[in-house]
Order: sequence, then structure tokens, then C-alpha cells
Amino acid sequence: GAVVSQHPSWVICKSGTSVKIECRSLDFQATTMFWYRQFPKQSLMLMATSNEGSKATYEQGVEKDKFLINHASLTLSTLTVTSAHPEDSSFYICSARDLAGGFDEQFFGPGTRLTVL
Amino acid sequence: QKEVEQNSGPLSVPEGAIASLNCTYSDRGSQSFFWYRQYSGKSPELIMFIYSNGDKEDGRFTAQLNKASQYVSLLIRDSQPSDSATYLCAVWVGNEKLTFGTGTRLTIIP
Repeated sequence: GAVVSQHPSWVICKSGTSVKIECRSLDFQATTMFWYRQFPKQSLMLMATSNEGSKATYEQGVEKDKFLINHASLTLSTLTVTSAHPEDSSFYICSARDLAGGFDEQFFGPGTRLTVL
Repeated sequence: QKEVEQNSGPLSVPEGAIASLNCTYSDRGSQSFFWYRQYSGKSPELIMFIYSNGDKEDGRFTAQLNKASQYVSLLIRDSQPSDSATYLCAVWVGNEKLTFGTGTRLTIIP
């Protein structure tokens, strides 16, 4: 299957700082990438859908000014958590949609664990 | 009503037995259905996808889809301890986003 990478895999930051997470599709071009958040013992919650060259579409209840998403190329999307607070501590996972194989598949990155002190 | 529903478990199955995981969905127009496995602290990995009514087999895994009943299931034969994980059912909604169930935690007992 296709490979999606995320960087960093984990990050610890102080409250009030901003954190950028990168998501890359390594062997395919992804016109659409998704950002999820997962709290302990809960399922994945979609935060936003990122389309290359256009503004991201945010799910209801997700603050677009706090979670900045940029999808500058067909292989890279970034999520910036601005002015992070302890309640933003979570597991952030990106995925990329691959339509090239004839099937509509979504491949996940390994995730980024964010801890805000 | 949630869009995708699963029993949260935990589901305990003896090693070597068949594990049966179930999922229902609310959008009758959904066309694509996926099963992901997620180990603790890791991101989900795709096990199987199914688009057509009936059964689809891949090794020890069989996905079953019944669109009339809006029901999709995953059977794991000859369960192994390494199959212990949370299994997430996911459905494309409106061809725009993948909606996940809450997941079923499966434990294989040696």
C-alpha cells in the first residue's frame, strides 16, 4: 500500500506555543488529505479535509483559527496548532486519499502525539 | 443516531476461534466500507475494504456486507494473540469523508 509519513512523531511543548505537524504522501500524489484527532480510548474524530491548492474544510466545532491547515502541494499538508493549551494534547493523525489504483483508499500516517504542558 | 455504530466490547475470543465484529451504518447511500485495525498508540491500518453485497475473503479475514440491512461485519478465523487490537469500521459518507465507528476492542486469549 501507499506510504504516508508524519513528522514529528511526538512533541512536547509549553502552553501558548505553536506546533506544526507535517504529513507527506511518499509514493503517490494526494489531492485530498484528512486530519484526525484521537483522545485516549476514543475513536478518530475528523478535524478537517485538506484539498491541494484550496482552503481546508473544517468539521463543526473545530476552530479554524486555532488549527491552521495548509496543503501547498500534492504530497504535503501541514497542521499548525496555534497557542496550544493542555486540552489540545492528543494523538493527531493525517491520512491521504489515493484514487490512482482504481479504488478509493485512504492511507494513514503513523500519527503525532502532542503533549502540551 | 450515530452514522456508524459498533459494539465497543471488549470482545474476548480464545486463540484459534473465530472472532466476529459487527458494524451498522445509517446512510443508505453509502457505497464503500472499510475495516481498520489499530494497536494501542498506533495509527489505524487498513485490513479490508468491501463495496459489493456478499462476502470478501482475504487470508484469515472475511468481510461481509448487507446493504439492505445496512450491516457490515468482519470475521477473523484462527484468531491469534497478535490480532488483539481495536477494530474500526469506517464508511465513506457522501463520497467526501470517512466516518469511523467507535471501535471494538478485541482480545485473543491464549
